[in-house]
Amino acid sequence: NAGVTQTPKFQVLKTGQSMTLQCAQDMNHEYMSWYRQDPGMGLRLIHYSVGAGITDQGEVPNGYNVSRSTTEDFPLRLLSAAPSQTSVYFCASSSERDRAFFGQGTRLTVV
Amino acid sequence: SQKIEQNSEALNIQEGKTATLTCNYTNYSPAYLQWYRQDPGRGPVFLLLIRENEKEKRKERLKVTFDTTLKQSLFHITASQPADSATYLCALPLNAGNNRKLIWGLGTSLAVNP
Repeated sequence: NAGVTQTPKFQVLKTGQSMTLQCAQDMNHEYMSWYRQDPGMGLRLIHYSVGAGITDQGEVPNGYNVSRSTTEDFPLRLLSAAPSQTSVYFCASSSERDRAFFGQGTRLTVV
Repeated sequence: SQKIEQNSEALNIQEGKTATLTCNYTNYSPAYLQWYRQDPGRGPVFLLLIRENEKEKRKERLKVTFDTTLKQSLFHITASQPADSATYLCALPLNAGNNRKLIWGLGTSLAVNP
């Protein structure tokens, strides 16, 4: 099993550009989440999904969109990148009341 | 709202000693609490989960306790090794004991010196 796969690992964007961070899991987990991790702030939940077709907002959803058309995939879209979105992004998946599996992260810089 | 507090200062210990890390939460008692390890540039990796009706859980050199009266979990690494150096995070569910929303502590950095 590959677990949780995130792409790309690194990305530099210019302010105003849009992009999609990809996340795929092969464990048939119902729960998937996107976090950003910033120094001194810890992991903060951006959006999450409890199954295909169902998404909801986390703590810091502004500037990000998600969709969940399949159980496996949960892409995160940055609509118009801003320097404040410079961060490390992690995708995670889990089943109910069980451990979360994380991807290796995407380091995003917005200039 | 629920908050998590972990030792903010880095913990430095000598190889072979026991490391003890603390996770305190502020409001309701969660149905379970999880501990993860994070190495620089990597995603968190699950270590242990302890449920509200469990006082203690062990896995090899790791031990977790859960005191719902004190609203605290302690994470112990016995016979510590330099390879245990990492940041350790605790996490708990925000609502209803499921994984819809997890909240995370900032983590405690552990350095084990040879």
